[in-house]
Amino acid sequence: GAGVSQSPSNKVTEKGKDVELRCDPISGHTALYWYRQSLGQGLEFLIYFQGNSAPDKSGLPSDRFSAERTGGSVSTLTIQRTQQEDSAVYLCASSLVTGGPGAAQYFGPGTRLLVL
Amino acid sequence: GDSVTQMEGPVTLSEEAFLTINCTYTATGYPSLFWYVQYPGEGLQLLLKATKADDKGSNKGFEATYRKETTSFHLEKGSVQVSDSAVYFCALRGGLQNNDMRFGAGTRLTVKP
Repeated sequence: GAGVSQSPSNKVTEKGKDVELRCDPISGHTALYWYRQSLGQGLEFLIYFQGNSAPDKSGLPSDRFSAERTGGSVSTLTIQRTQQEDSAVYLCASSLVTGGPGAAQYFGPGTRLLVL
Repeated sequence: GDSVTQMEGPVTLSEEAFLTINCTYTATGYPSLFWYVQYPGEGLQLLLKATKADDKGSNKGFEATYRKETTSFHLEKGSVQVSDSAVYFCALRGGLQNNDMRFGAGTRLTVKP
């Protein structure tokens, strides 16, 4: 597609429920990144994928968070047993090359998650 | 680990004023540096970048010079417009953590007519 897309754009859920957030990167981009942006805060790195593997999961805040990527394309971020502190905008980005420090990341519009 | 520190906001300026948003970084190795902008209701967009020391990134009247000696990448614009109102994020990529981007906390700029 023309850009990174994410779905849903907004998600309201009850505490304790599981949610799945989806990211479609730009076609041909091998690297995919997930970030979290809490209200009034900067971007918090969660995880990145090179192809289908995730060499760096260090940013995942707890074992309730997991992510997968299939076919080197779509990625799903899953949050189990959601808590109110999980409320944030979850951003996905993709880039053409990893290991290339000059490669910029292209961001999707984000999924705004609200846990009641 | 690698990190970015940028000046706290919010910053409020009048139209045509000079803008500086400070950004300093800590990294082992030779990172690339970026400025991203987030306009109200929109996603992050790359504004400019510099990949090595003394490089100057520029776009839409904004400039930033990669200063290795001061580990800085300050964003400047000579004459801001109302349409520049947004949140600006400084970021780095590379160093030893070569595969993810480290962002600053963001600086909200409001330009008044």
